[in-house]
Amino acid sequence: QSALTQPASVSGSPGQSITISCTGTSSDVGNYNLVSWYQQHPGKAPKLMIYEGSKRPSGVSNRFSASKSGSTSSLTISGLQAEDEADYYCCSHAAGNTYVFGTGTKVTVL
Amino acid sequence: EVQLVESGGGWVQPGGSLRLSCVASGFIFSSYDMSWVRQAPGKGLEWVSGISNGGGRTNYADSVEGRFTISRGNSKNTLYLQMNSLRAEDTAVYYCAKHQGLPFDIWGQGTMVTVSS
Repeated sequence: QSALTQPASVSGSPGQSITISCTGTSSDVGNYNLVSWYQQHPGKAPKLMIYEGSKRPSGVSNRFSASKSGSTSSLTISGLQAEDEADYYCCSHAAGNTYVFGTGTKVTVL
Repeated sequence: EVQLVESGGGWVQPGGSLRLSCVASGFIFSSYDMSWVRQAPGKGLEWVSGISNGGGRTNYADSVEGRFTISRGNSKNTLYLQMNSLRAEDTAVYYCAKHQGLPFDIWGQGTMVTVSS
């Protein structure tokens, strides 16, 4: 149950687009189209942003999108805004009916 | 309003035990799987344990297998996590989360567990 690999940090200026990668293996990300992404502001609970690979819950901005290729999922935030500054985590179903999170990425808006 | 409220966290010595609770409201608790996810101070999220909607299937992360037990009381809309043989590395904020497979769509506010002598 090794954590999925994400870059430790990603930054961008307001209005720009950034992409966060989430790399797993054929036993998790590569085997399930069920990757979800979560946003977490300091001291707060995580919030679901993307599910089933590319779907957005009601209320989540369409500036957030995701895709998957092989064992890597990617979250893109377009039109970066100050409120997007937070930690982001991916999560995948894994073997044995378990789940595995990514290592987390700190997004900084310059 | 759909809500999850955790309780039961606190300070405990290494080797000790603690039971966490998570009370659900605003949805049909017995229809959904539930999980516990933890976050050590300054660290990332770690899935700890999950239980099926009826309670018949439970799963655990290797790091807690044999020490933690997840259970639920559907008549009380409550999820539990019994934590035994606690270690310093179990120190974390523990969140309960509602799901049906993936994703974890509703999270509680978390309860802090500190294991220290």
